[in-house]
Amino acid sequence: AQSVTQPDIHITVSEGASLELRCNYSYGATPYLFWYVQSPGQGLQLLLKYFSGDTLVQGIKGFEAEFKRSQSSFNLRKPSVHWSDAAEYFCAVGASSGGSNYKLTFGKGTLLTVNP
Amino acid sequence: DVKVTQSSRYLVKRTGEKVFLECVQDMDHENMFWYRQDPGLGLRLIYFSYDVKMKEKGDIPEGYSVSREKKERFSLILESASTNQTSMYLCASRKPTLGSQPQHFGDGTRLSIL
Repeated sequence: AQSVTQPDIHITVSEGASLELRCNYSYGATPYLFWYVQSPGQGLQLLLKYFSGDTLVQGIKGFEAEFKRSQSSFNLRKPSVHWSDAAEYFCAVGASSGGSNYKLTFGKGTLLTVNP
Repeated sequence: DVKVTQSSRYLVKRTGEKVFLECVQDMDHENMFWYRQDPGLGLRLIYFSYDVKMKEKGDIPEGYSVSREKKERFSLILESASTNQTSMYLCASRKPTLGSQPQHFGDGTRLSIL
């Protein structure tokens, strides 16, 4: 069974600073990996996904993430944070094979606060 | 763009009531999901439907049932609501062709059981 760990519950950065949100996963094969963002009172919006190929993937809103198999990580980055990026961020892993390949397992989320 | 619509953003019900949460998607997706989201616990899968009239229990199905009579609509039913079912409920849909296909989420229903 797959699992996801987001080690940071809450991160605070200043506007304009760089950002890295950590995600570690556990899965026996190459996983499908996703980052979602949730603004207050809203549903989850897909930022980016990885399933094969280039390990550095670009997403919406200037975000990128890098898949590192050796570290079982899929960290989300942004070079310069905007106040509108304040939200909760969820990493998720999906199975690439087997009968449960519909299922996503989510991390518990990282809440991002942006200081002016 | 995929549109997943949940019928209510906020809902207040009383203990013991039968509660229906409705979700509609407009992209002809076979797979649909119901999650609940609680602080510190993240998203937990309640039920999953891989096609019309098909359903499968998720991680926390107790106290819930679902209905999928039409492809575009997936309903979550709380047979006899209890206060511990106060939560944010999220519906999602996806194409089943590959595991790499992401799930698309609605805006959620914040349900309070008094």
